[in-house]
Amino acid sequence: DGGITQSPKYLFRKEGQNVTLSCEQNLNHDAMYWYRQDPGQGLRLIYYSQIVNDFQKGDIAEGYSVSREKKESFPLTVTSAQKNPTAFYLCASAQGEGNSNTGELFFGEGSRLTVL
Amino acid sequence: SQKIEQNSEALNIQEGKTATLTCNYTNYSPAYLQWYRQDPGRGPVFLLLIRENEKEKRKERLKVTFDTTLKQSLFHITASQPADSATYLCALPPGSGGYQKVTFGTGTKLQVIP
Repeated sequence: DGGITQSPKYLFRKEGQNVTLSCEQNLNHDAMYWYRQDPGQGLRLIYYSQIVNDFQKGDIAEGYSVSREKKESFPLTVTSAQKNPTAFYLCASAQGEGNSNTGELFFGEGSRLTVL
Repeated sequence: SQKIEQNSEALNIQEGKTATLTCNYTNYSPAYLQWYRQDPGRGPVFLLLIRENEKEKRKERLKVTFDTTLKQSLFHITASQPADSATYLCALPPGSGGYQKVTFGTGTKLQVIP
């Protein structure tokens, strides 16, 4: 079945450590996204990529980094520079624009990061 | 940037009734609006998209309306069931249109009581 796989589902990190969250999709989608979700807040966009080897900062990119070396993969690194990294992280993908598609975002199951 | 308002308080309704959730937005009118469902600890799942030239859209027990004058979308679930209990998010595209960089509301938690 096609979909998006995020790993790990749960992750604990000590302060000062970098951690990388994995996101893989087999939907052949061009666009991929990383969102952060905190209690009582909507999803906030961290980074997005519309094509391989290209990505743009979202609304809260500080303290995060990404790469897009392959169409299927869009890993997110939470660096020690991120002040409040404890959150639920969601990866999503979407087809490119077109009259027939709905712009639907397909989400993974999320990764919950806790900084100890 | 677009500001989206969804009722942050949970909505509790009796099974079999119609649930109505509201999504209000400020600033520009979007080319379309999406609704997603999110269960606890899971990623959101797309439900419906309604475009600016559509007044209403239906899918099974779901109905979405889009009033660009009021800058509001209403999301209805008819004959609600306990399985409909979840958080419902609305999402809008940026002012330049397109399908990239949608902005999400905070969501409304729906609880359907048996």
